[in-house]
Amino acid sequence: DIVMTQTPLSLSVTPGQPASISCKSSQSLLHSDGKTYLYWYLQKPGQSPQLLIYEVSSRFSGVPDRFSGSGSGTDFTLKISRVEAEDVGVYYCMQGIHRGTFGQGTKVEIK
Amino acid sequence: EVQLVESGGGLVQPGRSLRLSCTASGFTFGDYAMSWVRQAPGKGLEWVGFIRSKAYGGTTEYAASVKGRFTISRDDSKSIAYLQMNSLKTEDTAVYYCTRDQSHGYYDILTGYLPLGYFDLWGRGTLVTVSS
Repeated sequence: DIVMTQTPLSLSVTPGQPASISCKSSQSLLHSDGKTYLYWYLQKPGQSPQLLIYEVSSRFSGVPDRFSGSGSGTDFTLKISRVEAEDVGVYYCMQGIHRGTFGQGTKVEIK
Repeated sequence: EVQLVESGGGLVQPGRSLRLSCTASGFTFGDYAMSWVRQAPGKGLEWVGFIRSKAYGGTTEYAASVKGRFTISRDDSKSIAYLQMNSLKTEDTAVYYCTRDQSHGYYDILTGYLPLGYFDLWGRGTLVTVSS
């Protein structure tokens, strides 16, 4: 199975400051169709998860442009350019190239 | 309104069975793959399995932890996806989410992998507790 490793596991950020989460996969997520099957989800407190980013860097509809995704192959990053109070929650990366595996999650809180 | 509503959760003894339902509304259910994701109390997310649309053969795949015990099916005429869970274990205790899966890819020509799509719509989840 493909293992997804996120770092850090927790992050405390001052509002208006940037934040970055790393996600590494144990195998390349590049498919022969040319797509890289890496997604980012956010689970806000008490809510179901919601999609932020798909295929490494495409923002889902309605997601603020302060969220951006980058990376390739096995190394990926989610960046929040200026953290806001509504961004608190647990962020998960997920690979979709073979069955599905989520990272352990990164809990983001506001200082 | 576009939504997914899970039902069928509850308390069940180890070794017994339970069937969850996911009722979709507001979109053409038959056009989409559906995935199930679970979350044990206080833990992270775990993908359980998916079923592709009939247009993509209705193929199913499962996580290793549930393969052979869980079965996903669909009734497009009713816009419902099912998760049949047999031989339940205490470690299956979790909130089970139904998701709409934007899966439209094909098998990788080198690895044979069949990709999942992104989950753009989630239900609120239903709690399954496996305990004696």
